[in-house]
Amino acid sequence: DAKTTQPTSMDCAEGRAANLPCNHSTISGNEYVYWYRQIHSQGPQYIIHGLKNNETNEMASLIITEDRKSSTLILPHATLRDTAVYYCIVRGFNAGKSTFGDGTTLTVKP
Amino acid sequence: DGGITQSPKYLFRKEGQNVTLSCEQNLNHDAMYWYRQDPGQGLRLIYYSQIVNDFQKGDIAEGYSVSREKKESFPLTVTSAQKNPTAFYLCASSPGTGFDSGANVLTFGAGSRLTVL
Repeated sequence: DAKTTQPTSMDCAEGRAANLPCNHSTISGNEYVYWYRQIHSQGPQYIIHGLKNNETNEMASLIITEDRKSSTLILPHATLRDTAVYYCIVRGFNAGKSTFGDGTTLTVKP
Repeated sequence: DGGITQSPKYLFRKEGQNVTLSCEQNLNHDAMYWYRQDPGQGLRLIYYSQIVNDFQKGDIAEGYSVSREKKESFPLTVTSAQKNPTAFYLCASSPGTGFDSGANVLTFGAGSRLTVL
């Protein structure tokens, strides 16, 4: 699976959009981008995934660049409960392993 | 409700003792995983299993052992050979590893926190 690079930490004002970037320059054609988040001392929670088209669900939007070398997770109206560590990973078909980096710690401030 | 149950939530162990962490899922998922998380760090893969009676080593398998005798269960044993076992352990599962991207979505348990005294 391709390696990902994320900023260590980010701040966001409550009610504003949080934009979390992820670089995955070695991604291959059959690998999807997945996003998870982990609230302190809990198990990670799935947010969204995509291949090359932009995706949106009730939690977030995922924007993937045309060359697929980077992506951005967007939380449109961040709340204090969105404070968490956000992980971006890439996985392909028949991929037994999922490697998580250190993620981005997002702090939403009042 | 379907999900993953890990037990115990907290566990204390003396040095030199083996300990087994339980992971049970009722999601009918084929694949199961064990991760280790140290304070302030990301998740590192210990073992994973894509099918019953088969499993593979992850990035940090030394000092750990697993079994997959039933689809629903994937227990992890932390042996005395693990030099620094104090950590937060997370079990996860996914539907499979097929051609459907949803097959690779991971569902995690709440974790087990192991402390070696």
